[in-house]
Amino acid sequence: AQRVTQPEKLLSVFKGAPVELKCNYSYSGSPELFWYVQYSRQRLQLLLRHISRESIKGFTADLNKGETSFHLKKPFAQEEDSAMYYCALNYGQNFVFGPGTRLSVLP
Amino acid sequence: DVKVTQSSRYLVKRTGEKVFLECVQDMDHENMFWYRQDPGLGLRLIYFSYDVKMKEKGDIPEGYSVSREKKERFSLILESASTNQTSMYLCASSLGGNKETQYFGPGTRLLVL
Repeated sequence: AQRVTQPEKLLSVFKGAPVELKCNYSYSGSPELFWYVQYSRQRLQLLLRHISRESIKGFTADLNKGETSFHLKKPFAQEEDSAMYYCALNYGQNFVFGPGTRLSVLP
Repeated sequence: DVKVTQSSRYLVKRTGEKVFLECVQDMDHENMFWYRQDPGLGLRLIYFSYDVKMKEKGDIPEGYSVSREKKERFSLILESASTNQTSMYLCASSLGGNKETQYFGPGTRLLVL
């Protein structure tokens, strides 16, 4: 079955430090992968998608088919990056979300 | 700007009650989704619909049903609520086809006593 794993439930970093949120997936076809973010008291929203290969709020994510990973990275974390991050896999008309990683950026 | 609204932010129901959760989107999106969000489990897809009167089961459809009579509205129904259905319920919509961004509603937090 298709799965998305995010091994860290909670990740704490200091402001200005690099951050990497890990995401691994299991899918035999060509994956469509997304990162969604939920800030405190806000609705879930798209952060970025691999197909567009863009950088949003300084975050980037590269699809590594060999390692079946889609890790989210930012070179210098900011306090406003503190949020819940979900990795998601789209296959056919279905979506599978990972369990989420809570990022806490400390001052 | 896409707007997805859900009828209630908070609901408290008793075991055995029939519960209706309503979702409306205003962007003429083809696809609509219902998820439940639980700590440590992320979002799990309950049902989705890619057209009016069409529905597909997601990963956890047991105990739920859905209705899509109009394109803009997607309802989630708990026929007989149980305590293990206490959760945050999220509705989302997207353009037709796959690979499209999903736009989420604010969520409904349901407590079943």
